[in-house]
Amino acid sequence: NAGVTQTPKFQVLKTGQSMTLQCAQDMNHEYMSWYRQDPGMGLRLIHYSVGAGITDQGEVPNGYNVSRSTTEDFPLRLLSAAPSQTSVYFCASSSRGGDSYNSPLHFGNGTRLTVT
Amino acid sequence: LAKTTQPISMDSYEGQEVNITCSHNNIATNDYITWYQQFPSQGPRFIIQGYKTKVTNEVASLFIPADRKSSTLSLPRVSLSDTAVYYCLVGDIYYNFNKFYFGSGTKLNVKP
Repeated sequence: NAGVTQTPKFQVLKTGQSMTLQCAQDMNHEYMSWYRQDPGMGLRLIHYSVGAGITDQGEVPNGYNVSRSTTEDFPLRLLSAAPSQTSVYFCASSSRGGDSYNSPLHFGNGTRLTVT
Repeated sequence: LAKTTQPISMDSYEGQEVNITCSHNNIATNDYITWYQQFPSQGPRFIIQGYKTKVTNEVASLFIPADRKSSTLSLPRVSLSDTAVYYCLVGDIYYNFNKFYFGSGTKLNVKP
């Protein structure tokens, strides 16, 4: 069982370049989300999705786009990279759970992005 | 949305019990309390979750008082491999599709 898979593991971009961070899960989870983690800090929510075709913004959405065309995939797009977007990006997923339990988040191992 | 407050860091020695407390004064009725562990260069990993009273699994216990405004993660007899950052998260997916906000976490340093 692969769980949550993120690619690439490392990426270096120049300012102004665009790229897509990939996230895929094989657990049929409805809920998927993207976080960024800066050195010595906690995780900040960028965007999240509660199902195919449904996305919403988190704490720090500016500069990032997402879409959810399938249950399995939730790519994160940087349209014009900036040095402030240098960070480690984590994708997470979860099932919806039920009215008597809450499903935990499952995380990928992250993508380390450097923008020069 | 329920925000959480945790100590920034804690030190302990191998073999000791460690208790990390999280404050979440505005927790909502449907919210669960979940704790995650994160090692360097890895994504957070689920440790334990609870709604009220006490929950125990093979790695930790979670104590939640009746008012649910705080919770305490208890790690029995820690080892060097428990050195990590621990996050407390409060939220609910089923009813509210909550946005799960992480705080800064508690960096636990276990010494030999």
